[in-house]
Amino acid sequence: GAVVSQHPSRVICKSGTSVKIECRSLDFQATTMFWYRQFPKQSLMLMATSNEGSKATYEQGVEKDKFLINHASLTLSTLTVTSAHPEDSSFYICSAAGTGALTDTQYFGPGTRLTVL
Amino acid sequence: KNQVEQSPQSLIILEGKNCTLQCNYTVSPFSNLRWYKQDTGRGPVSLTIMTFSENTKSNGRYTATLDADTKQSSLHITASQLSDSASYICVVSGRGGSYIPTFGRGTSLIVHP
Repeated sequence: GAVVSQHPSRVICKSGTSVKIECRSLDFQATTMFWYRQFPKQSLMLMATSNEGSKATYEQGVEKDKFLINHASLTLSTLTVTSAHPEDSSFYICSAAGTGALTDTQYFGPGTRLTVL
Repeated sequence: KNQVEQSPQSLIILEGKNCTLQCNYTVSPFSNLRWYKQDTGRGPVSLTIMTFSENTKSNGRYTATLDADTKQSSLHITASQLSDSASYICVVSGRGGSYIPTFGRGTSLIVHP
């Protein structure tokens, strides 16, 4: 149980285009979802925290107009990288925290590798 | 400021050997500590989770210990296998608030045949 999926797993896009990444909790309801970015050989960096039905809370230094987060339901959150540039190329990982017995642990998705040309 | 420090930064061992990874933290008040394994290009997978009252927890060949007084944890890997090659991340969560944890930088483990 407690599976989180991400789609797509890998995306290559041209500079200036927008890319949407989906994060789904497959078998539990996620009241809170987190979006992370990870550069090669570095730790995960929290970008934003989203609660279902409310606006996301962004970490300092993360542009909310560039990284649009929508958490419209208890099983789906999306991250849209708008007007992507090569420096946005990274590994994006989402995680979900459930309700009840699942609140103590974050369950991570498999990640999405974004390459901006 | 909440911090999680892991050591060593990287480790190379031979297949079949044991190893121990360390995690020191300053997160307070403490809620739980988790060890994750992250294979290259994959999302982290939870190995163990420990709360304040737990001193040790095992998951197969992985055994985690926690000393809440000294704010230290270790992850011991027994009889290492090639598939153990990965990054091991220590994550500490505080009580209250919105579950936002503090991540260590990870220990990169390479197991050679």
